[in-house]
Amino acid sequence: QVQLQESGPGLVKPSQTLSLTCTVSGGSISSGGYYWSWIRQHPGKGLEWIGYIYYSGSTYYNPSLKSRVTISVDTSKNQFSLKLSSVTAADTAVYYCARAQRGFDLWGRGTLVTVSS
Amino acid sequence: QSALTQPPSVSGSPGQSVTISCTGTSSDVGSYNRVSWYQQPPGTAPKLMIYEVSNRPSGVPDRFSGSKSGNTASLTISGLQAEDEADYYCSSYTSSSTYVFGTGTKVTVL
Repeated sequence: QVQLQESGPGLVKPSQTLSLTCTVSGGSISSGGYYWSWIRQHPGKGLEWIGYIYYSGSTYYNPSLKSRVTISVDTSKNQFSLKLSSVTAADTAVYYCARAQRGFDLWGRGTLVTVSS
Repeated sequence: QSALTQPPSVSGSPGQSVTISCTGTSSDVGSYNRVSWYQQPPGTAPKLMIYEVSNRPSGVPDRFSGSKSGNTASLTISGLQAEDEADYYCSSYTSSSTYVFGTGTKVTVL
C-alpha cells in the first residue's frame, strides 16, 4: 500500500531555510488525481495547512505563509519537498506530508522540526 | 484565511452520542461540499474519518457520521466508545483553492 515518509533536519537555526522531503512508496506520485500536501502542527496546537502541489507542478499555498514557502516535486525520485525560508521559533512544529484527493486520506508519521540557535 | 471554529471540548459517557460543530463562512464550508473530519489520538498522525461532508472511508465505523447546514458542518459519534477519545479536526476547501482546518475539539469519554 502507499506510504509517505518525511525526512530532513530536526533542528534549524533562526533565519535559515527549513527543508523537508516526503518520499512516496508503494505508488507513483505521478498518478493523477492527487494533490501532495504539507501540513504542520505547533506543539500542543491545531493543524495548519501549508500548501500542496500537483504532479504537474501546480502549487497552492496558505496565504499567511506564501511569501516564505516553496513546494516542489521530483517525479523521478517519487518525492515532493517543502522549503520554508527565514524561519523563527514560531515555525517550530511537527511537519506532516499528506495525500489529498477526497480529503487528506494518507499521512506520513510527521517529523518534529525545532528552530533554535 | 481564518481557522474554522470548533468547540474546544465535548464529552459523553460510553454509548451516548456527541456532536462536534465546525463553523466557517460562505467562502469555505458554506460553498463547497469538500468538508472532511480527522481523528488524532495523542502522539499520532491524523486519520481521515469523513470526506465530502458525509462519506466514510473504508474501515471507519458507521458510528461516525457527518452533515452540513449552511456555513456549519457537524460530526456525530454515536454509541461513544473509549477508543473514540481523541482530538478531532474539520477541514474545508476554500474559494481561494486552498484548505483551512478547524481549531480542534478534544473528545473525552467519561
